[in-house]
Amino acid sequence: DAGITQSPRHKVTETGTPVTLRCHQTENHRYMYWYRQDPGHGLRLIHYSYGVKDTDKGEVSDGYSVSRSKTEDFLLTLESATSSQTSVYFCAISKLGTGGYNEQFFGPGTRLTVL
Amino acid sequence: AQSVAQPEDQVNVAEGNPLTVKCTYSVSGNPYLFWYVQYPNRGLQFLLKYITGDNLVKGSYGFEAEFNKSQTSFHLKKPSALVSDSALYFCAVRDIKQGEAAGNKLTFGGGTRVLVKP
Repeated sequence: DAGITQSPRHKVTETGTPVTLRCHQTENHRYMYWYRQDPGHGLRLIHYSYGVKDTDKGEVSDGYSVSRSKTEDFLLTLESATSSQTSVYFCAISKLGTGGYNEQFFGPGTRLTVL
Repeated sequence: AQSVAQPEDQVNVAEGNPLTVKCTYSVSGNPYLFWYVQYPNRGLQFLLKYITGDNLVKGSYGFEAEFNKSQTSFHLKKPSALVSDSALYFCAVRDIKQGEAAGNKLTFGGGTRVLVKP
């Protein structure tokens, strides 16, 4: 357990509305990630952060923005939600594992439905 | 670029029989490989990893995986499957060269659903 929580855990919203998902960690890890999980696609990286105010895009970043004003919180925002953004969203952190290489650990997920 | 393929969407196996979930990968350098499991309505849980060394890696819940460099594969195995092993399994890879400069990013396969029948 890497001390990762996500909120909300479930959300239903309407097309065109803004949505913000929160990821909170308790262990002060530098790297944090947002993924979306869709059937047949596995997990795809949306954005990641390598420190406070330091973020970069992943492979499916269009329509999403992120912010990290504190080490412990990584926010994912859908500025204007679309039905194609209906998905399960996972936050992850990267920390040093055995062998000296970074490993990722995941939060419980947020199920987002855009009507 | 790095990529992962899990060629089977679903694997069905009878309880007590051996279970194999296939994974092949592509990286430009040496791979850092992972298996994760996802139980219904849960997040991903780490099962095992391969960095270097012994090609047979043992992990949680009696699972093991065999690294084959010539075939670029990292198949997950369990000698005797349990009904409770029914879940979604993901293989993931990172190029060891990638490092912190590129964000320690993992690339995941599409997942394989395992159904173990009593």
